[in-house]
Amino acid sequence: SQKIEQNSEALNIQEGKTATLTCNYTNYSPAYLQWYRQDPGRGPVFLLLIRENEKEKRKERLKVTFDTTLKQSLFHITASQPADSATYLCALRLRSNTGKLIFGQGTTLQVKP
Amino acid sequence: GAVVSQHPSWVICKSGTSVKIECRSLDFQATTMFWYRQFPKQSLMLMATSNEGSKATYEQGVEKDKFLINHASLTLSTLTVTSAHPEDSSFYICSAHKTGTDTQYFGPGTRLTVL
Repeated sequence: SQKIEQNSEALNIQEGKTATLTCNYTNYSPAYLQWYRQDPGRGPVFLLLIRENEKEKRKERLKVTFDTTLKQSLFHITASQPADSATYLCALRLRSNTGKLIFGQGTTLQVKP
Repeated sequence: GAVVSQHPSWVICKSGTSVKIECRSLDFQATTMFWYRQFPKQSLMLMATSNEGSKATYEQGVEKDKFLINHASLTLSTLTVTSAHPEDSSFYICSAHKTGTDTQYFGPGTRLTVL
C-alpha cells in the first residue's frame, strides 16, 4: 500500500541544536517533495522544494536531502530557536499533471530555550 | 508575493444550513486551486481539485453534491458546504498553484463549527 510517514512523536530539542525530521514513503514515485511549516490553527507555509534529481537543498538555516533509493527525505534546522517550534509537514508531488500533493501526518518540533 | 486569503476565518452555523468559504490568490493567478480538510492532530486530506472554468475533481469518498466548488476566475475559488452537520465541523484549508511554478501556496484556513 502507499504510505507517507513522518515521526508521529514530538521532537524536543534544546535551543542551538540541530533538529532533524524524517519523511519516508512507500510505493510512490514522486516528481518532487516539499516541506511545509504549520502553526496551530493556521495554514501550512511553504519552506523548501527538492526534486527527484536533487540530493540536497539549502535555504538559510534549513537543509533538505532527498534519497530516492531509500525513499526518504531528511529536513534539518540548524541553530534551532524557540520560534522554530511548530509542526512540519512533508508532501509528495506525484508525476501526474494534476498537481496533487500527498501529505504526511507531520512532526511537531519543540525547541526549548 | 504569493499570498492566499480565505474568508471567513471562522464560522459557526446551525445544522442544516449552508456555508460558503472563499479562497483568493491576492497577487498571482492560479488556474488550479485545491481544497483540504484537516481534523485535530491529523494531516491535510485533499478533498478536491478546483480548475478555473471547469468542473472540480473530487477525491474518492468526498460527496460532490455536499461540497460544491466553484472556480469562476483565476483568483477565486469557493467551497460551499451544503446542509452542514456536526460531523462536517473541521478546519478547511485551500491552496493555490501559482502558474509557472511547482509550488502551492496555502490560505490561513477556515474553522467551521456546526452546532
